[in-house]
Amino acid sequence: EAGVTQFPSHSVIEKGQTVTLRCDPISGHDNLYWYRRVMGKEIKFLLHFVKESKQDESGMPNNRFLAERTGGTYSTLKVQPAELEDSGVYFCASSQDTTDEQFFGPGTRLTVL
Amino acid sequence: AQSVTQLGSHVSVSEGALVLLRCNYSSSVPPYLFWYVQYPNQGLQLLLKYTTGATLVKGINGFEAEFKKSETSFHLTKPSAHMSDAAEYFCAVSWLVGFQKLVFGTGTRLLVSP
Repeated sequence: EAGVTQFPSHSVIEKGQTVTLRCDPISGHDNLYWYRRVMGKEIKFLLHFVKESKQDESGMPNNRFLAERTGGTYSTLKVQPAELEDSGVYFCASSQDTTDEQFFGPGTRLTVL
Repeated sequence: AQSVTQLGSHVSVSEGALVLLRCNYSSSVPPYLFWYVQYPNQGLQLLLKYTTGATLVKGINGFEAEFKKSETSFHLTKPSAHMSDAAEYFCAVSWLVGFQKLVFGTGTRLLVSP
């Protein structure tokens, strides 16, 4: 069974540009989570999807971040326009149920210059 | 705000020595507690978890952790370190029912020397 995959693995963009990160959860997992780790700090929750609906987006930093999960399968996280402080590693995780273990992807390392 | 503290960003041990990674959380309300490990270029992998019941929890690769409510702690231990244990370890807590909205510590990188 394939695990959680994320694309790209690395992205380097300039301030003001737009970047879209993609996450493919484990097949059949209704719950999808996004987290972010800024250099040297803790991994922080961004939001939680149940199927295509946003269950909790309390961790989204501002309106430059837009997450979608069309059809309840893969998810995208768009940052527009990117700022320097958006640099970090973005993790995606999925679970079958909210009481089940979250399986994490390898992350996307975003660098904003 | 609810928070998780991991003491020591780096911990160095010799192969065969005891591993002790510390984790404290901010609330006295019993939460759900987890330890994750991240090997290079991989995602986070669940080592062990505490939800209810026995406070000493055994996980994979010989690791275990003890939930101490009075100390609001969930320290991770392994009696004898192996070179393959070198990785970054994250303590995480959920104050919601289940695994939702994990709150992580800043991580501890374990270095194992021969």
